[in-house]
Amino acid sequence: GQQLNQSPQSMFIQEGEDVSMNCTSSSIFNTWLWYKQDPGEGPVLLIALYKAGELTSNGRLTAQFGITRKDSFLNISASIPSDVGIYFCAGQDNNAGNMLTFGGGTRLMVKP
Amino acid sequence: GAGVSQSPRYKVAKRGQDVALRCDPISGHVSLFWYQQALGQGPEFLTYFQNEAQLDKSGLPSDRFFAERPEGSVSTLKIQRTQQEDSAVYLCASSLSGEGRRLYNEQFFGPGTRLTVL
Repeated sequence: GQQLNQSPQSMFIQEGEDVSMNCTSSSIFNTWLWYKQDPGEGPVLLIALYKAGELTSNGRLTAQFGITRKDSFLNISASIPSDVGIYFCAGQDNNAGNMLTFGGGTRLMVKP
Repeated sequence: GAGVSQSPRYKVAKRGQDVALRCDPISGHVSLFWYQQALGQGPEFLTYFQNEAQLDKSGLPSDRFFAERPEGSVSTLKIQRTQQEDSAVYLCASSLSGEGRRLYNEQFFGPGTRLTVL
């Protein structure tokens, strides 16, 4: 099935460093979302973006909805050990049933 | 709690066995989604209900997969004659609305059922 192209696949960083990950698609979406998934749990929504060009922050997280509506990035500033997990981007077409199309995920590991 | 719950959390099946996975959405949520997540990958859409109506089943990988939501609340995903490639985590999500009103479209996910087919 279709998945968005998400990179990097994994990152191993030092506590306190900033992190950046991005997602691209061949299709246009009218909503972009970023989720975090911990082991044995379902994805939890971090940030939702509804307009091309929109830049939104949630604490140490900042995400942007690309102008072309085919890409998005997520930045995490001053990482802490509890940021460890898998981050997924997802595109949503509200005119086509609201199902989510996910990226392959970025596994973040933080060294204290 | 008030979140989405799924049962069982883990299921081991022998190849050829039928399985049924249950999802209890958040009370009052209109929309319900099923996703399949293979190891090391992102979730992939299977099917979508609005109340009791199955509006999209385009993601179901074969006719061995069947989902229902007869009373518009609890949903069951059934897999007949399981195969090894069916091994995955099956995630259920619900949202308050399915009408395109963005504020009510957030999908809340359950913890998933990990299915292992031997």
